[in-house]
Amino acid sequence: NAGVTQTPKFQVLKTGQSMTLQCAQDMNHEYMSWYRQDPGMGLRLIHYSVGAGITDQGEVPNGYNVSRSTTEDFPLRLLSAAPSQTSVYFCASSYSGTVNTEAFFGQGTRLTVV
Amino acid sequence: GENVGLHLPTLSVQEGDNSIINCAYSNSASDYFIWYKQESGKGPQFIIDIRSNMDKRQGQRVTVLLNKTVKHLSLQIAATQPGDSAVYFCAENSKDSSYKLIFGSGTRLLVRP
Repeated sequence: NAGVTQTPKFQVLKTGQSMTLQCAQDMNHEYMSWYRQDPGMGLRLIHYSVGAGITDQGEVPNGYNVSRSTTEDFPLRLLSAAPSQTSVYFCASSYSGTVNTEAFFGQGTRLTVV
Repeated sequence: GENVGLHLPTLSVQEGDNSIINCAYSNSASDYFIWYKQESGKGPQFIIDIRSNMDKRQGQRVTVLLNKTVKHLSLQIAATQPGDSAVYFCAENSKDSSYKLIFGSGTRLLVRP
């Protein structure tokens, strides 16, 4: 049982490049989400999903796309990277999106856009 | 590790003392609250949670207090240890917000030996 796995751990992109941050969980959780964490700030919600085939926007969705084709995977896509997207990205999963339960987090992806 | 924690409020305590970390939450409809601990270079880890029908919950060395009247949450750590040094976040969610977990800005706890 690996929990929530994020890849890569580190990434440097040039402005305008695209990439996909991967997130996978093996706990059969319904609810998955992506956060970004900037220095001196808490985690801000980018996108979330309450189940396969269902996604919705969080607080800061601009510049990011997501999809949820399976229960296990929830990739985050940057279509055209900008320096403002330099941040640490965390993926999280929870048992259910319809009741309150704790979220389990991955180890994070540190992204630098130059 | 990351530069997470720059400009965060910092609580410095002596090893063995009790720590109290405070959090003001924003949504009066929030009905579930979690405290997370984040060590350098790692993702947040669950510490303890509390639902809005309670005002106190205890775990191992930790206690969470909830005051809904003033929308305040606190985390008490008994006999603070060096391994407790980290950034602590409170988070809230509610059915009204589609169970989206909203985080506070965090507090850095430094434990002096």
